[in-house]
Amino acid sequence: GNSVTQMEGPVTLSEEAFLTINCTYTATGYPSLFWYVQYPGEGLQLLLKATKADDKGSNKGFEATYRKETTSFHLEKGSVQVSDSAVYFCALGSQQGGSYIPTFGRGTSLIVHP
Amino acid sequence: DTAVSQTPKYLVTQMGNDKSIKCEQNLGHDTMYWYKQDSKKFLKIMFSYNNKELIINETVPNRFSPKSPDKAHLNLHINSLELGDSAVYFCASSPLLAGVVMNEQFFGPGTRLTVL
Repeated sequence: GNSVTQMEGPVTLSEEAFLTINCTYTATGYPSLFWYVQYPGEGLQLLLKATKADDKGSNKGFEATYRKETTSFHLEKGSVQVSDSAVYFCALGSQQGGSYIPTFGRGTSLIVHP
Repeated sequence: DTAVSQTPKYLVTQMGNDKSIKCEQNLGHDTMYWYKQDSKKFLKIMFSYNNKELIINETVPNRFSPKSPDKAHLNLHINSLELGDSAVYFCASSPLLAGVVMNEQFFGPGTRLTVL
């Protein structure tokens, strides 16, 4: 079956530091890949996505590139802000036997200090 | 103009009770989901449902049942609540693209269920 593995958190950074959150996946076929963000007390919201190999998703200064050869979709940001403190989820979506199966990683908590 | 809404936001109840959580989406999506998020933020899919098919995660106890009165609503009914059911429950929806569900999901704000 499909699976998503994320680095364990929490990740603690100072403001303006560089961020990387690693994500690797196992899937059959050609999945779409996503990063979602969950701010405290809220639901998940889509941060960025990529639908095929070598695609780069980007939004709000965050980027991730779909690497089929390494089955990875690492999230990066060049300079984090306190307001980026949240839980980040890597996810994939694929068709299996005519049904859509979303699979989420366990989430990585990011804490940014001023 | 909320896209995916859930009610109630908080639900506190006694063990053994039966309760329901309601979910509505006004996005015109065809597929809806229910997720359970535990205290460590682990997100577990419980059900996915469109107007043709219900897919149940086989690890979900049969005390949980989704009910869909129409395409825009997917309610979650829970019988005989247990302490371990305490969690945050999220509803989500996805559009179909050329008959294939491959796009992102839109999540509701969550319902925090506490079983005493």
